[in-house]
Amino acid sequence: LAKTTQPISMDSYEGQEVNITCSHNNIATNDYITWYQQFPSQGPRFIIQGYKTKVTNEVASLFIPADRKSSTLSLPRVSLSDTAVYYCLVGDKGAGFQKLVFGTGTRLLVSP
Amino acid sequence: KAGVTQTPRYLIKTRGQQVTLSCSPISGHRSVSWYQQTPGQGLQFLFEYFSETQRNKGNFPGRFSGRQFSNSRSEMNVSTLELGDSALYLCASSLGGSYSYEQYFGPGTRLTVT
Repeated sequence: LAKTTQPISMDSYEGQEVNITCSHNNIATNDYITWYQQFPSQGPRFIIQGYKTKVTNEVASLFIPADRKSSTLSLPRVSLSDTAVYYCLVGDKGAGFQKLVFGTGTRLLVSP
Repeated sequence: KAGVTQTPRYLIKTRGQQVTLSCSPISGHRSVSWYQQTPGQGLQFLFEYFSETQRNKGNFPGRFSGRQFSNSRSEMNVSTLELGDSALYLCASSLGGSYSYEQYFGPGTRLTVT
């Protein structure tokens, strides 16, 4: 089972753009790439999902290169409330049952 | 719409005992997935149920099992508890489309094994 890796932590200031990458070199062919946000003592919260190229919603953008072995979550103009842990989620193309693999998580700290 | 609910929220058990956790999905959602979250291993996928059938499965031992009822509610059972089973157990529901992982998580059940 391949590991899905992310930077452990990132620091930013309010109003800046933050880009968080996820490496998933064993992603299953048909699977979407999904990103979640988690605050302490809460379950993860869905942010955005995509299959290829670029997807944008009201809170984030997701960039996926043609080989789909990585993805980048972009948070425009972050605020203090964006301080959280961010995870990517992909399906792993192992044998047998499909396995869902969360990334290692990136702890984002936004400062004033 | 009500969110995903999990019961109980906190649980303390002794090694060797068994435990059953419950999850009620968002109305209309047919898929329920279970995850284990620990500081050391992060978020790990246990299994997914869709229309009462196990559709996907992670790499956990057979002590971890689950089931889904006709109303989409799901239960997870852990038998012969070990100290290492102490974790936050999260349940997530979704509409259930293949390959799409837009899931909605509950607050989790914090299990402590002593």
